[in-house]
Amino acid sequence: SQELEQSPQSLIVQEGKNLTINCTSSKTLYGLYWYKQKYGEGLIFLMMLQKGGEEKSHEKITAKLDEKKQQSSLHITASQPSHAGIYLCGADNKLVFGAGTILRVKS
Amino acid sequence: NAGVMQNPRHLVRRRGQEARLRCSPMKGHSHVYWYRQLPEEGLKFMVYLQKENIIDESGMPKERFSAEFPKEGPSILRIQQVVRGDSAAYFCASSPPGQGYSPLHFGNGTRLTVT
Repeated sequence: SQELEQSPQSLIVQEGKNLTINCTSSKTLYGLYWYKQKYGEGLIFLMMLQKGGEEKSHEKITAKLDEKKQQSSLHITASQPSHAGIYLCGADNKLVFGAGTILRVKS
Repeated sequence: NAGVMQNPRHLVRRRGQEARLRCSPMKGHSHVYWYRQLPEEGLKFMVYLQKENIIDESGMPKERFSAEFPKEGPSILRIQQVVRGDSAAYFCASSPPGQGYSPLHFGNGTRLTVT
């Protein structure tokens, strides 16, 4: 069965610093979703990647899918306290999610 | 334009009681997914339903758990004879009908505590 492994499990960054979260699939992906979850709330859709080598950006968040479609990265530039939360990657089949990366931003 | 609505937000049950969790999908969405989330364990798929049909229940425990999505009304996740291990956050998500890679829209979850 497919598995998505995220790293790091958690990280604390100083406000203004850049950071990267990785998501690695045990099988080739047809598509990958990134979601953000705030404590006590549901997941909010961030971005979806489908094509190998694809890169998408929204405000200060950039997500990439590698050419082999087995690894994705989420990069945040100049982090802000509003970026704090749990970031999860999800497979295209909607059945498998990574365990999540907890992000804390120190101001 | 209301999003996915889940209720109750918090539910406390004693061991042996029944828990009923409700989910109203977004307007126009006919696909509903249920997930369970435990601290540090991520989101675990439970069941995928369309109106009046269970499409995939491979993540559902074989006993005590059931789900439905009737023609009218919300989707219901039912847990009979709850045990302490059922304590978790249960999330519902919906997506529109048809093919394509549409993202999921999540509710804010129901936090079940079994005492």
